[in-house]
Amino acid sequence: ETGVTQSPTHLIKTRGQQVTLRCSSQSGHNTVSWYQQALGQGPQFIFQYYREEENGRGNFPPRFSGLQFPNYSSELNVNALELDDSALYLCASSPRGWETQYFGPGTRLLVL
Amino acid sequence: SQQGEEDPQALSIQEGENATMNCSYKTSINNLQWYRQNSGRGLVHLILIRSNEREKHSGRLRVTLDTSKKSSSLLITASRAADTASYFCATGTQGAQKLVFGQGTRLTINP
Repeated sequence: ETGVTQSPTHLIKTRGQQVTLRCSSQSGHNTVSWYQQALGQGPQFIFQYYREEENGRGNFPPRFSGLQFPNYSSELNVNALELDDSALYLCASSPRGWETQYFGPGTRLLVL
Repeated sequence: SQQGEEDPQALSIQEGENATMNCSYKTSINNLQWYRQNSGRGLVHLILIRSNEREKHSGRLRVTLDTSKKSSSLLITASRAADTASYFCATGTQGAQKLVFGQGTRLTINP
C-alpha cells in the first residue's frame, strides 16, 4: 500500500457529461501526477501539479483539467466526455523532484 | 504516445523458473524504472536504475540498462504464483515531470 487513495473506485457516465475524480496524496508528498490507462495499454501522462499549479502537461485536450489543494490532494476534471475517455485513471504522488512515483489504486471510468 | 516497446507482450512460465522481460526506448533518459500492476489496479514501484548504472539488484529482481542500445531488461528469478501481473518499464528524463511508460508485459506464473 502506497498511502495514495482515489475516489470513486468505479464510475459510469454518458457521453457529453462531466466527471470529477479525486486523489489524496501520500503524507509529505507535494507533487501529484495524473495518468490515463486505456485497456491493454501503458499509462499516459495527463498532467502534474506542484504547490497548486500545473507543472507539466501531456498530450491531452483542455477539457482535461485539474486542481491541487493546499493539503496536496488533487482533482481531475473531464468535460464533454467521449467514449474514448473510458479508461483507468491513476493518480501518483511524490516529493518534489523525486524520481519514483507512488500510485493510487485508480478510478475506472466507463463512458457509455 | 508510448516511449518504449516491451517484449514479449505476454509470457507464461512454470513456478520456479526465471522470467525475463525487455524494454526498448527512443530518447535519452535520466532513469528507467520498472513497475508492477496487478489486475488493472495501481502500479507498484519495483526498481529504478539511473542512466550511469548498468545493473541493479533488489531481492529476486535484476535490472540491466544498456544506454547505447536504449534497452533494459528485468529478470525475476525463482518465480512465484504471486508474481503473476503486468510489468511496465517507465523512463524519466532530466527536467521532465512525467514518466513515459511502455505497453507492458503480461506475466503468468503457472503452479
